[in-house]
Amino acid sequence: NAGVTQTPKFQVLKTGQSMTLQCAQDMNHNSMYWYRQDPGMGLRLIYYSASEGTTDKGEVPNGYNVSRLNKREFSLRLESAAPSQTSVYFCASSPRQVSGNTIYFGEGSWLTVV
Amino acid sequence: SQELEQSPQSLIVQEGKNLTINCTSSKTLYGLYWYKQKYGEGLIFLMMLQKGGEEKSHEKITAKLDEKKQQSSLHITASQPSHAGIYLCGAVLMDSNYQLIWGAGTKLIIKP
Repeated sequence: NAGVTQTPKFQVLKTGQSMTLQCAQDMNHNSMYWYRQDPGMGLRLIYYSASEGTTDKGEVPNGYNVSRLNKREFSLRLESAAPSQTSVYFCASSPRQVSGNTIYFGEGSWLTVV
Repeated sequence: SQELEQSPQSLIVQEGKNLTINCTSSKTLYGLYWYKQKYGEGLIFLMMLQKGGEEKSHEKITAKLDEKKQQSSLHITASQPSHAGIYLCGAVLMDSNYQLIWGAGTKLIIKP
């Protein structure tokens, strides 16, 4: 039972480099999310995709782009990484938009920008 | 998020003792979720509460939703080392566009 799978688990980037975090879910969920988690701040929503073909900004979208490639996959791209983007990133999915639905998380991706 | 405050920020409890973690919202709650996170791992769903007065239990963990206080409490009875971790509450609030707003988490340490 894979659930939500995200890669890579760990990454170190130099300032200005780009990278893409990959996420896939095998639960046939409509909605997918990218969060970042920073010490003392809980989880903050970066972008979400309510359904295949749609994406919307969350609380902290600056410096990121997303692609909902198909129903299973939702990727997060850092075009020009900055030290402020050092964080733990979580991908998540739910059957539909969150309200009333359980949201399932991946194991996280630790990103350090130096 | 300051819209959702968790208390305490951290807690050290002797094994076998009971404990309570609170999650308080500054806005109307439309649903509240409790998750547990172990260091280096993802978030594990514990419970979802949707109605005022609702109470749910999972093994030795009980959560209640007090609609009037806009607050949920998570109570662990007879704590065990396996309960150690970070407990996060997330809630759908008025004006949050159906998205979850999260508390900063409560770090629970169980002393043997």
